[in-house]
Amino acid sequence: DGGITQSPKYLFRKEGQNVTLSCEQNLNHDAMYWYRQDPGQGLRLIYYSQIVNDFQKGDIAEGYSVSREKKESFPLTVTSAQKNPTAFYLCASSQQGVTEAFFGPGTRLTVV
Amino acid sequence: KQEVTQIPAALSVPEGENLVLNCSFTDSAIYNLQWFRQDPGKGLTSLLLIQSSQREQTSGRLNASLDKSSGRSTLYIAASQPGDSATYLCAVRPGNQAGTALIFGKGTTLSVSS
Repeated sequence: DGGITQSPKYLFRKEGQNVTLSCEQNLNHDAMYWYRQDPGQGLRLIYYSQIVNDFQKGDIAEGYSVSREKKESFPLTVTSAQKNPTAFYLCASSQQGVTEAFFGPGTRLTVV
Repeated sequence: KQEVTQIPAALSVPEGENLVLNCSFTDSAIYNLQWFRQDPGKGLTSLLLIQSSQREQTSGRLNASLDKSSGRSTLYIAASQPGDSATYLCAVRPGNQAGTALIFGKGTTLSVSS
C-alpha cells in the first residue's frame, strides 16, 4: 500500500522540551511538506523540501527544524523556541509539484 | 503575496441538493489548483487536481472548474448526501513552474442533513 505515515498520532510536550514528529512516504515522491493547522485557520506552511539534503522555510518556520537525509523521510522537530506549539501537524508529499499532493493522517501535539 | 479565500465558511443543506463551493485567489499565476476534503481530526483527502491549462475536472458527483484569469474556482457537488459532510479545502500551487508549495484557503464546512 502506497501512502504517507505520520507518528505518533498524539504527542504531549512539556514546557522547554524538544519533540520530533515523524513523516515517511513510500510514493517515491521528491517533494515533501510540513503544515500546521489551528482551529479556524487554514493550513500554514512550516518547511518544504524538493530534494534530499535541501529544504526551504515556509511562512512560520521559527521554532521548528527539519532534515531530509533520505527521500522517503522528512522529520519535523518542534523546539522549545516555538512558543505556541499546540496544533495539528500535517505532512504531505508530491512529485516535484507536478502531480497531486497527498497528505498523511496528522499528529496532534499538545503542550502540558 | 498569493492569498486564497473560500466562501462561504459554512454551509448547511438538506440531502439531495446540488451545491457550489467557491474559491478565489489573488494572483492568477498558478501552476495548479487542488480541492481536498477533511473529516474532523483527520488528514486531507485529495478530491480533484486542475492544472493551470485546464478548465475543469470531474470525478463522480464532483466537478471542479477553474477560471485562472478571474482567479476563481468552484467545486460543484451533485445530489448531496450526509456522507459528504466535511470541510472542503481549496489550495493553489503558485508560480509558473513546479517546485512551490500549496497555499490553502480556510475551508468551507459542509453539513448535509438527512
